[in-house]
Amino acid sequence: RKEVEQDPGPFNVPEGATVAFNCTYSNSASQSFFWYRQDCRKEPKLLMSVYSSGNEDGRFTAQLNRASQYISLLIRDSKLSDSATYLCVVNPSLGGYNKLIFGAGTRLAVHP
Amino acid sequence: NAGVTQTPKFRILKIGQSMTLQCAQDMNHNYMYWYRQDPGMGLKLIYYSVGAGITDKGEVPNGYNVSRSTTEDFPLRLELAAPSQTSVYFCASREVGSLDEQFFGPGTRLTVL
Repeated sequence: RKEVEQDPGPFNVPEGATVAFNCTYSNSASQSFFWYRQDCRKEPKLLMSVYSSGNEDGRFTAQLNRASQYISLLIRDSKLSDSATYLCVVNPSLGGYNKLIFGAGTRLAVHP
Repeated sequence: NAGVTQTPKFRILKIGQSMTLQCAQDMNHNYMYWYRQDPGMGLKLIYYSVGAGITDKGEVPNGYNVSRSTTEDFPLRLELAAPSQTSVYFCASREVGSLDEQFFGPGTRLTVL
């Protein structure tokens, strides 16, 4: 079983749609969780951290379910500019050297 | 600030050749990382460093070497290139005590033929 698993997609949605991505992780002791965004042929960039209580940043909402070991990302009112690959990222240890574990990513394509 | 910079952007190597991928950051970050990303796969950690003079292996270190003589620079050396090393290589850095955000360079696309 992969340490971090994501549906590869692609998710093809029209502008204005709501889309949700899920991610599961295998290490129940994992400490912190993130969503990174990666545009085509570019480097990953942090989109948002994921907190146990859930957190929201504008149109983006992230949720963490520790009992089921999954993380979700909800994008509301999708824009063309949201088209990218979304990487689920897990830090399996507390503190330490931040050796992040990356999922393979879920590709989102937003069309007019 | 330029952030994290990487050179070259692209490179084609022949099997058995060697090269050094350069990475530099101007944010005074102590932690630096090298990853590789194969098509359709997540990033895999090759090596990391927690400060000048200190390096350690990541998940996939075979075929690579690193050094960290200064805070700013973290070069990755490929010895005896093999087709399996065809990949996109990303360097990243992070501030000690930050909320885990790693800042990535633009990547180096390497093809070994």
